[in-house]
This record gives sequence, structure tokens and C-alpha cells, in this order.
Amino acid sequence: EAGVAQSPRYKIIEKRQSVAFWCNPISGHATLYWYQQILGQGPKLLIQFQNNGVVDDSQLPKDRFSAERLKGVDSTLKIQPAKLEDSAVYLCASTLAQGAPSTDTQYFGPGTRLTVL
Amino acid sequence: QKEVEQNSGPLSVPEGAIASLNCTYSDRGSQSFFWYRQYSGKSPELIMSIYSNGDKEDGRFTAQLNKASQYVSLLIRDSQPSDSATYLCAVMWGVKLSFGAGTTVTVRA
Repeated sequence: EAGVAQSPRYKIIEKRQSVAFWCNPISGHATLYWYQQILGQGPKLLIQFQNNGVVDDSQLPKDRFSAERLKGVDSTLKIQPAKLEDSAVYLCASTLAQGAPSTDTQYFGPGTRLTVL
Repeated sequence: QKEVEQNSGPLSVPEGAIASLNCTYSDRGSQSFFWYRQYSGKSPELIMSIYSNGDKEDGRFTAQLNKASQYVSLLIRDSQPSDSATYLCAVMWGVKLSFGAGTTVTVRA
């Protein structure tokens, strides 16, 4: 079974530029998550999709961050304009989420390391 | 704000010893609990999940859950240098997963 795919793996941009990340979840996984992990901290949820609908985006800085999952499969996360404090690893995860706790396990992609100069 | 707290690290243990990691959470309504291992520069990988009170063993790992005390722990027996990593406790409320900051474990050869 293929895992969660993300691209690019690394990105270096200057502040005020824009950047986009892509994620393709495990086949059949209905729920997709984007996390931000700053060095030395645990992952922080930015947005959660159930199929192509948003379940939770309470911690997404909506003035600069946006995300979409138009066909309920792959997803993009965009930052425009970027700030220095956006330097982090952006992790995508997916889960089967069929109502039973055993289907709640989140599987993570390799992440995109963003450096904002 | 749902909170997940982990014991501060780093934790250094000699090879072959037991590493003990602790985690507390703020909301009694949580139903699923996970331990993830994260090597430096890598993404988190699931090592244990636990859903009911008591112990769950998987190889050298044992997870313990006490919902009344809002406490979950992870024991690593016979610690190996390959266990050196950051261990993240994660707690699910409804459909949202919240992570602790992690505890870094170093196993000394």
C-alpha cells in the first residue's frame, strides 16, 4: 500500500513570496490533515478535511494560508505572503476514519521543510 | 483549548534499560490515544495506539492508559540505540488529534 505522498520535500523562499505544497493521501482515506511542525514542537493542526469538506480550520491563519481538496483526494496548502515565522515542516496526514477508533490512526507523509529568508 | 503535556526531556537511558515516558491530557472526553516516534528530520510514525484502560504490549513497547487520571504512558524495555528519537503523545477528541511537544530519548551504548 502506497503511503502519503507530499511534494516538494524542501522549499526555500524569501519573505512575502508565495508557496504551495501538495499532498496525496493513502488511497481510500477520507480524512486529510495539514500540520505545521516548528522545530522542537509537536505538530499543530492547521486544517482537516473530511472528503472535500472542511472539518476544522480553527488554527489556520486565514489571512495568509489557504487550503483546498477539490475532488476529495489530493490537497494543496498555500501560503501568501510568507513570513519568517512560517519556517517549519508542513506535514500531511490521512486516516480512514470510518467511525471506529481503530480507523482513527493517522499516517503521515514525509513532510515539506520550508525555510523563509 | 485541549492540552497534551509530556514529561520534559531529554531522557537519557543506558542500553538495555527501561525508558518511561509520561503524558497527561486535559479533556476526559478523549477516546483514542497514540504514541508516535519521530527520528530527527523524519515524519512521525505510529508505534502504539490504545483505546481502553489498562496495558497494551507490542514487542518491547507497552502503553498504559488510565482515563480516570487522564494519563497515558509508554514504556520501552531493553532500550536500543535505534530507539533514540523524539516520542510524541497524541490524543484524539472527536475527530481532532492534538499532540504533545514530545520527549527526546537518547539511548547510551
